[in-house]
Amino acid sequence: KAGVTQTPRYLIKTRGQQVTLSCSPISGHRSVSWYQQTPGQGLQFLFEYFSETQRNKGNFPGRFSGRQFSNSRSEMNVSTLELGDSALYLCASSKGTPTTNEKLFFGSGTQLSVL
Amino acid sequence: GDSVTQMEGPVTLSEEAFLTINCTYTATGYPSLFWYVQYPGEGLQLLLKATKADDKGSNKGFEATYRKETTSFHLEKGSVQVSDSAVYFCALTTTSGGSYIPTFGRGTSLIVHP
Repeated sequence: KAGVTQTPRYLIKTRGQQVTLSCSPISGHRSVSWYQQTPGQGLQFLFEYFSETQRNKGNFPGRFSGRQFSNSRSEMNVSTLELGDSALYLCASSKGTPTTNEKLFFGSGTQLSVL
Repeated sequence: GDSVTQMEGPVTLSEEAFLTINCTYTATGYPSLFWYVQYPGEGLQLLLKATKADDKGSNKGFEATYRKETTSFHLEKGSVQVSDSAVYFCALTTTSGGSYIPTFGRGTSLIVHP
């Protein structure tokens, strides 16, 4: 069974640009959540999607957005990139719904560098 | 809000040494507690979990006990191997509006020398 797949693996952008990251969950998983990992702040929750609807959102500015498609694949978008957005962005999928405390399966992440 | 505090790393040990990584938490209600491990270049993997007070999670020789009285969930292993070198994250989930939201610690890097 394939794991969680994130593309691209690495991205280099400049300030002011926008970026879209993609996440394909494990087959049969319907919940997808996104996290930002930085050395200074650690791992922080961005948002969670289930059935194409955002169910929860972390404490991030509106420049960070996402969506989920009918096949459960998800994308996140960051507009007007800032230097501080440089981070490893991790996606995780789980089998259950947001109201069940299911195990998270993580992808390897997309390393975003903003110059 | 909820928070997780882990000991700062890196923790450097020789092979076969005893490992303890401290984790304490602050949360409303009754959180579930987790340890995740991240190997270089990979995403996080669930190592073990405990869902109620006095539960002990265990996996691959690692153990952690949910201590409600001290709000702690320390990770232990009796004899570490070089292959255990990784970053370890303590985490909790609490409910918010019926959904489970995870909160992670900052991670503790473990380096095991032969």
